[in-house]
Amino acid sequence: DAKTTQPNSMESNEEEPVHLPCNHSTISGTDYIHWYRQLPSQGPEYVIHGLTSNVNNRMASLAIAEDRKSSTLILHRATLRDAAVYYCIRYNQGGKLIFGQGTELSVKP
Amino acid sequence: KAGVTQTPRYLIKTRGQQVTLSCSPISGHRSVSWYQQTPGQGLQFLFEYFSETQRNKGNFPGRFSGRQFSNSRSEMNVSTLELGDSALYLCASSPETSSGNTIYFGEGSWLTVV
Repeated sequence: DAKTTQPNSMESNEEEPVHLPCNHSTISGTDYIHWYRQLPSQGPEYVIHGLTSNVNNRMASLAIAEDRKSSTLILHRATLRDAAVYYCIRYNQGGKLIFGQGTELSVKP
Repeated sequence: KAGVTQTPRYLIKTRGQQVTLSCSPISGHRSVSWYQQTPGQGLQFLFEYFSETQRNKGNFPGRFSGRQFSNSRSEMNVSTLELGDSALYLCASSPETSSGNTIYFGEGSWLTVV
């Protein structure tokens, strides 16, 4: 199972939008793209997921490329509480999430 | 509703011992999966259970085992503990195994092997 590719770290200013990219060039047609984030000493927290079209929820937006080989998680206004490691995951089925190294997001006040 | 509950939260064991970790999924969730997180290897999938059956397994030695009960609660067991088994063990649950479902994680059990 191929892992996704994400930048190791990104930095943002508070109250500015953040775009976290993810490459999943070997994705199959039935794989959903899931995003989770993890704060220190906590379990991963679900952020958003999608299959083909863009998705929005109260936490974030997910923009999926037309060819599905990449996606972008968008935090519309970063807060200090958004500082975490963000994981982009291909999820096929059977509860098996294949985590990459994730992107460590830091937010500056 | 209550989230995924894992017990114990912290434990220390000696090499060679065994350990059992427990997970109570969100009410109504039938799929329970387990992950190991270490600084060196990151988050790695251990196994997944659905309706008391192991449906998927990661690349871990046979010392790692698990089971699921009829009420969907799950346990994982590690026998003959090694120092390298020190990790955060995470349990996650979801309603079914469809990839469109959201998976919810517990806070984890911190295992230290000395």
